[in-house]
Amino acid sequence: ETGVTQSPTHLIKTRGQQVTLRCSSQSGHNTVSWYQQALGQGPQFIFQYYREEENGRGNFPPRFSGLQFPNYSSELNVNALELDDSALYLCASTAGTGSYNSPLHFGNGTRLTVT
Amino acid sequence: GQNIDQPTEMTATEGAIVQINCTYQTSGFNGLFWYQQHAGEAPTFLSYNVLDGLEEKGRFSSFLSRSKGYSYLLLKELQMKDSASYLCAVRDYLGRGSTLGRLYFGRGTQLTVWP
Repeated sequence: ETGVTQSPTHLIKTRGQQVTLRCSSQSGHNTVSWYQQALGQGPQFIFQYYREEENGRGNFPPRFSGLQFPNYSSELNVNALELDDSALYLCASTAGTGSYNSPLHFGNGTRLTVT
Repeated sequence: GQNIDQPTEMTATEGAIVQINCTYQTSGFNGLFWYQQHAGEAPTFLSYNVLDGLEEKGRFSSFLSRSKGYSYLLLKELQMKDSASYLCAVRDYLGRGSTLGRLYFGRGTQLTVWP
């Protein structure tokens, strides 16, 4: 069983640019969520996708957007990057409805630095 | 709103037992998770409680009291490799399409284990 994989591992962008982060969910998992973890903080929920639709969103502006594909992989897009977007971006996947006690398994994350 | 509170730092010696407390106030509750995170790495799942009581997994145990909004993670027979940040997270419901909800994380407790 393959785990959650994210790419790229590290990324450096300049303010105002756009970035796309990618996530391949664990085999059999149809729900993907994205979290942002700033240095010294706990992860913060960005949004969740279930069967290709967003079904929950945290307190992030619209320039944070996402997609989920039929194979349940996912993308996180951030437009008009700001310095405060520098963080570790984590993707997590789990099985969907019915798996009441499924924990979230995180990928290794993408470290984004905005200069 | 959501409030997850845990100590910022703790220290202990090898072979000892340490208890990391977590208190929470959330608008919904669908389980409490503990994650371990080594510096520069993604969080890894340790334990999950949805009902009151103690869950034991090897050297790690986690306790939950829903009426008190309280949990603790107990680490026994501490090893140097247990030095890490320990994250407490509460899950709420997101509703349509998924029972899985979103996780609200505390800021993490940095545990240092001394020889």
